[in-house]
Amino acid sequence: DARVTQTPRHKVTEMGQEVTMRCQPILGHNTVFWYRQTMMQGLELLAYFRNRAPLDDSGMPKDRFSAEMPDATLATLKIQPSEPRDSAVYFCASGTALGGNIQYFGAGTRLSVL
Amino acid sequence: AQSVTQLGSHVSVSEGALVLLRCNYSSSVPPYLFWYVQYPNQGLQLLLKYTSAATLVKGINGFEAEFKKSETSFHLTKPSAHMSDAAEYFCAVNERDAGGTSYGKLTFGQGTILTVHP
Repeated sequence: DARVTQTPRHKVTEMGQEVTMRCQPILGHNTVFWYRQTMMQGLELLAYFRNRAPLDDSGMPKDRFSAEMPDATLATLKIQPSEPRDSAVYFCASGTALGGNIQYFGAGTRLSVL
Repeated sequence: AQSVTQLGSHVSVSEGALVLLRCNYSSSVPPYLFWYVQYPNQGLQLLLKYTSAATLVKGINGFEAEFKKSETSFHLTKPSAHMSDAAEYFCAVNERDAGGTSYGKLTFGQGTILTVHP
């Protein structure tokens, strides 16, 4: 059963520390999305890639967040330095242009910055 | 630009009652529309999608949605609610440019939390 895999599932860190979240998209999917979900803001798109190239990262705070796809099987989202307001659940999703661009979501990384 | 409005952030029904979750969209080109469900501590899961074929779309778990262009709506329904339907539901529209090209980006509504009472 193909699925998007995110690691770690939970992360607790202290303010100022670097946080790296990883995502393994479904094999064959060429589009990868990073979302952040909070009670206050709901689901926000941070960045997305097609064929490993960034298409849009306008939703991401540029001074502390960075997103990359080192290869087709790995996407990373880094926060440096982390702040308490970054506490949220971060989701990765992958998809393909075939079939109406359905996005398949991972289980998320729950980040707590103390 | 496309947008999605979900009417009602919370909906409560009794087990066995009709479920109706409302979604209205705005789009200058024919959209692709989606309903996703999120159970506690999980990611979003696709319930159903409309991609310009039949206007009545059937999804998993007995849910269906009808695309009504004249009303710019894509409401989600289920004839009889089950306790296991309690979750948060998101409507989403696929962004496409003026030429109809999609880049895969979805715009999500704010979500509707469905509570099912015994």
